[in-house]
Amino acid sequence: EVQLVESGGDLVQPGGSLRLSCAASGFTFSSYWMTWVRQAPGKGLEWVANIKEDESEKYYVDSVKGRFTISRDNAKNSLYLQMNSLRVEDTAVYYCARGVLVPDYWGQGALVTVSS
Amino acid sequence: EIVLTQSPATLSLSPGERATLSCRASQSVSHYLAWYQQKPGQAPRLLIYDASNRATGIPARFSGSGSGTDFALTISSLEPEDFAVYYCLQRGSWPPLTFGGGTKVEI
Repeated sequence: EVQLVESGGDLVQPGGSLRLSCAASGFTFSSYWMTWVRQAPGKGLEWVANIKEDESEKYYVDSVKGRFTISRDNAKNSLYLQMNSLRVEDTAVYYCARGVLVPDYWGQGALVTVSS
Repeated sequence: EIVLTQSPATLSLSPGERATLSCRASQSVSHYLAWYQQKPGQAPRLLIYDASNRATGIPARFSGSGSGTDFALTISSLEPEDFAVYYCLQRGSWPPLTFGGGTKVEI
């Protein structure tokens, strides 16, 4: 059974940093692109970033470029999202998902709250 | 960036009725459109990919159609568990991948 479990969500002040993790199991992690999608409270879904199997390609939504970094550790079956210079508008549930263009399995999400 | 516009924002129907949800793209995405269902407090669930292909385990009452800029998700006969929010996602031109704003199907 495919499982994706996010962790690392927290309350952080504007300008702060946070690192999200996503632990994958039930599939060959190193054979899949992976994706982060976020959802602000009461709002719709927004694609954030994705990463190729070997980290050779990474893509970001414009609003996080230069502030967020997606990475992975295939030996640990883990996906990461390093978030720096956080803004109030980054407040959201962050989901990790398998696949690049049609994410098919999603985790339950990690809540990131940016507030003073 | 391709913008997806979903309509209506809210659809009020009863169990057993047919639901038709629309997703319109600001430019052609060919057939590269997916549909997701999201229930409160849950992650999105993939229903349809490439406009008309049902994902694994999705009941036959869900069907997708369209190409280019106009797409539809049809639920032939609403079951109680189908009341949720539905999102479309395009991969015809990326990055960025873009989602529609969602349609809430309520009782």
